[in-house]
Order: sequence, then structure tokens, then C-alpha cells
Amino acid sequence: GAVVSQHPSWVICKSGTSVKIECRSLDFQATTMFWYRQFPKQSLMLMATSNEGSKATYEQGVEKDKFLINHASLTLSTLTVTSAHPEDSSFYICSARIRGRYEQYFGPGTRLTVT
Amino acid sequence: GQQVMQIPQYQHVQEGEDFTTYCNSSTTLSNIQWYKQRPGGHPVFLIQLVKSGEVKKQKRLTFQFGEAKKNSSLHITATQTTDVGTYFCAGLGKTSYDKVIFGPGTSLSVIP
Repeated sequence: GAVVSQHPSWVICKSGTSVKIECRSLDFQATTMFWYRQFPKQSLMLMATSNEGSKATYEQGVEKDKFLINHASLTLSTLTVTSAHPEDSSFYICSARIRGRYEQYFGPGTRLTVT
Repeated sequence: GQQVMQIPQYQHVQEGEDFTTYCNSSTTLSNIQWYKQRPGGHPVFLIQLVKSGEVKKQKRLTFQFGEAKKNSSLHITATQTTDVGTYFCAGLGKTSYDKVIFGPGTSLSVIP
């Protein structure tokens, strides 16, 4: 149980284009989802927290107009990287949490490369 | 703000040796979680500790939560090559509402 999927697993895009990443909880309802960014051999950097039906809460330094997060249902959250630049290239991972519990279940991640 | 630190950053052990990673928070925690991330993979939840002084075991892994609820440790007995990966602790502060703060992780290499 508690499986989270992410799509796509990798994407290459040109500078200036937008990319949408989907995060789905497959066998549970995720009241809260998190979006992280991870650089090679580094820890997880929390970008934003999203609760179903409400606006995402962004961490300090994360541009909300650049990283659009939508948590439209209890099983789906999306992250759109708008006007991507090479410095946005990274590993993006989502996680989901079940209501009333604190552990997080992570998706497999999306490797974004902006050329 | 709340900070979570982990030591060591890297650890190389011979297969069969024991391994310990330590996690320290700048503030008192409500609970602490441990995750493992294999190379090229994503973090996988291992365990959550809630009570002061709590000790939990999972086969060769022993997790402890400090009495003051500001530190924790993960000890692996007789490491195996399957233990390779990065171990992250993540602390939920008493005033941090929804989010946990991840430590920088300890990367474990096991030499066969």
C-alpha cells in the first residue's frame, strides 16, 4: 500500500518552455502533498506544501509564479515549471501524506533537464 | 528556524561491520522519521518515533529517540551490501504544523 506515482520520470525541454509534472497517490487519499527538489548527493529541499482544495504554501526563496502547484483532488497534485531555464534542471520529487499521519510516501521522482 | 543535522555525512564500512548515524535537532521535536534512499532511487519511509526515549527495532536496524526529543540515532548491526544508500532523518517540530525538516543525510557505502 501507500504507492505514489510520478509522471514523467524524466523530461528534456528547451529553455523558455513549461513542463508539468504529475504526482498521484494510487491507493490512498493524500490530504497533503509535498514537492521537493534534490541536487546530486544532497538532501531534499522542500519547495512547497499543498493541501487538497487550497493554495500551496511555498517555502522561502521559491518563486510561486515560476513553480505552479495545483492540488485538484485527493489523489493528484501537479507541479508546473514555467519558462524553464537550465538552472531549473534538477530531480523533482513529490510525496504524499495520509490524513492524520505524519510519514511521507515518495514518488519515484522526475529528472528535469533544460537545454 | 528549526534545523536538523546529521553526522557523519559519509561512512564507508566493511561488510559485517556495524554502522550508526546520528541526528540532532535545534528544537524539541514532536516526532522523528527515518527514510532510506538507495542510489538512483527515492526516499522510502522506514520508521517513526514519537515517545521520549523510544527504541524500535527492524531486524538489524535499531532506532532511538532521545530523552529530550532533540536527537535520534539509527544503528545497523552487521551491515550488508543491501544497506547501501543514504539515510535521512526528518523531524516534525512542535510548531512546524504540517512539514517535517529533513536532515542532510548520511551516505553509507558497504565494501563487500
